[in-house]
Amino acid sequence: AQSVTQLDSHVSVSEGTPVLLRCNYSSSYSPSLFWYVQHPNKGLQLLLKYTSAATLVKGINGFEAEFKKSETSFHLTKPSAHMSDAAEYFCVVSDGTNAGKSTFGDGTTLTVKP
Amino acid sequence: SQTIHQWPATLVQPVGSPLSLECTVEGTSNPNLYWYRQAAGRGLQLLFYSVGIGQISSEVPQNLSASRPQDRQFILSSKKLLLSDSGFYLCAWSVSWTGTGELFFGEGSRLTVL
Repeated sequence: AQSVTQLDSHVSVSEGTPVLLRCNYSSSYSPSLFWYVQHPNKGLQLLLKYTSAATLVKGINGFEAEFKKSETSFHLTKPSAHMSDAAEYFCVVSDGTNAGKSTFGDGTTLTVKP
Repeated sequence: SQTIHQWPATLVQPVGSPLSLECTVEGTSNPNLYWYRQAAGRGLQLLFYSVGIGQISSEVPQNLSASRPQDRQFILSSKKLLLSDSGFYLCAWSVSWTGTGELFFGEGSRLTVL
């Protein structure tokens, strides 16, 4: 079985400060983990993915995430927030069970203050 | 390269009217196809998925149905819309069998039922 928990429903940061969006997962097997971003009234865009290679994954727009098996976490970070980062972020796990379907977290809304 | 098209982008329909949302994928063969719904301020709910032509799995009992008449075409339908069918509908595809579970999303269809 697989599950994912996004620990914060809302995160607010000031422009230029670091971003941390937290995600914990549960999986019976070696999972693939993803972060997607969704801007208002748009589809989801892949930010980055972990698929059992390097544990520190770099994505688009300066985001990165670290897979920590011992902590079952896959937190998303960015050193310096930009106004354009304001969006909804989803953490997703896929471990080949559940008929190959992915499990989504409930999402974290990131607000960036000027 | 692969692309996914979803239409219409916006739809306003009266209660009791029919619905048809269409999604097509280009540049790949035998994809897994998915319909998700996103209610206002909520996460993604998987409605249907398909691993091949004519093969549809429903995740939740509801007023909607899905069909896959061709390999890269996925249609979401309803005979009579309910107010609760309002939401943002997203089509997605993934590589079948050997894929990591990465999903590729369309731009979404905003449905308002009045």
